[in-house]
Amino acid sequence: GDSVTQMEGPVTLSEEAFLTINCTYTATGYPSLFWYVQYPGEGLQLLLKATKADDKGSNKGFEATYRKETTSFHLEKGSVQVSDSAVYFCALRGAQKLVFGQGTRLTINP
Amino acid sequence: DSGVTQTPKHLITATGQRVTLRCSPRSGDLSVYWYQQSLDQGLQFLIQYYNGEERAKGNILERFSAQQFPDLHSELNLSSLELGDSALYFCASSVEGLAGGPPDTQYFGPGTRLTVL
Repeated sequence: GDSVTQMEGPVTLSEEAFLTINCTYTATGYPSLFWYVQYPGEGLQLLLKATKADDKGSNKGFEATYRKETTSFHLEKGSVQVSDSAVYFCALRGAQKLVFGQGTRLTINP
Repeated sequence: DSGVTQTPKHLITATGQRVTLRCSPRSGDLSVYWYQQSLDQGLQFLIQYYNGEERAKGNILERFSAQQFPDLHSELNLSSLELGDSALYFCASSVEGLAGGPPDTQYFGPGTRLTVL
């Protein structure tokens, strides 16, 4: 079945560092891909998405490119802030349901 | 604020009991999804309703059931509760067009934290 594998956490970085969180997927067909973020004590918020190969999703300085050849959707940000501390989930949407990765906890120190 | 509301925010109950979690989708959204988030299982899809009808089922236990009402709000019923049912339960909603069409973005509520003692 469909599955998503994310980079193991937790990840701790200093403010203004470069961020990459790896995400690879296994799916039949061509799923839509998403990154969701969960801030402490809150629900999931959609961060960005891409619906077809080579699409780049971007929001709040975060970017991810849908790479069909490597079945990947890595999340990147050039300069992280303390306010980016959260848990990040990669997900794919096949026929009907969202399948999530295990989440990566990110902590940014000032 | 996603526009999806869930009540209650917290629920503490005992093993063997039954609880009901409530979700109101965003205005205009016809689909409601339920997810369970636990430390050991991660985020798992439970069930989807579309305009009152069950559309898809995931890893939902037989002790759990859900329904979607004519006003499109949904309830998730959990019965014969066990310690392992302690988790965060999220509801999400989407516009969800025709079956087989492109999947819509799902918007999540803040969740209900269930603690079974």
